[in-house]
Amino acid sequence: QKEVEQDPGPLSVPEGAIVSLNCTYSNSAFQYFMWYRQYSRKGPELLMYTYSSGNKEDGRFTAQVDKSSKYISLFIRDSQPSDSATYLCATDAGGTSYGKLTFGQGTILTVHP
Amino acid sequence: DTGVSQDPRHKITKRGQNVTFRCDPISEHNRLYWYRQTLGQGPEFLTYFQNEAQLEKSRLLSDRFSAERPKGSFSTLEIQRTEQGDSAMYLCASSLPPWGDTSYEQYFGPGTRLTVT
Repeated sequence: QKEVEQDPGPLSVPEGAIVSLNCTYSNSAFQYFMWYRQYSRKGPELLMYTYSSGNKEDGRFTAQVDKSSKYISLFIRDSQPSDSATYLCATDAGGTSYGKLTFGQGTILTVHP
Repeated sequence: DTGVSQDPRHKITKRGQNVTFRCDPISEHNRLYWYRQTLGQGPEFLTYFQNEAQLEKSRLLSDRFSAERPKGSFSTLEIQRTEQGDSAMYLCASSLPPWGDTSYEQYFGPGTRLTVT
């Protein structure tokens, strides 16, 4: 079993829809939680970063972390065709493992006009 | 451009050959990371450096793989006696070192896509 599980999709939604992306993790030591966006043949780009449980909002993006259920979510409001990409969740245990990111498989999202 | 750069962007090699990739991090970042990403999967951690010191290596990094960061600036990743299973995207990232709970970002380069025939 992988430490971070993510439904690979693919997920296809119409423009303007609210998108919900989710991951679960098994290692209770994880403290830092990130969402990356990766366009085809490009490197991942950091979208959201959260420390411990809680919500964080940045424009159309909201990240939620529930450490009690080991569940990570990313919501995209008013989705746009330019949001079409692979979305990767990532975690970091911090401490002596600080910076060693563990990624989910990635969810392929397509937003069609 | 002050982002992370990687060279080459694409490498095709025959099985058994040696290959070397280069990564130039963002200049003020003293942490540098290497990841490997295969098709349909998320990146997997390989190794990382703080300045010139290699602090951790994944079990994925067999003895055919070696990474260096001789002067704490750019880094190289060498794969000896390549195998078809080495075909993947090799990603480099850099960041500032951790400081308490201060948010940090790992900035990724565009990757080097390796194809072993």
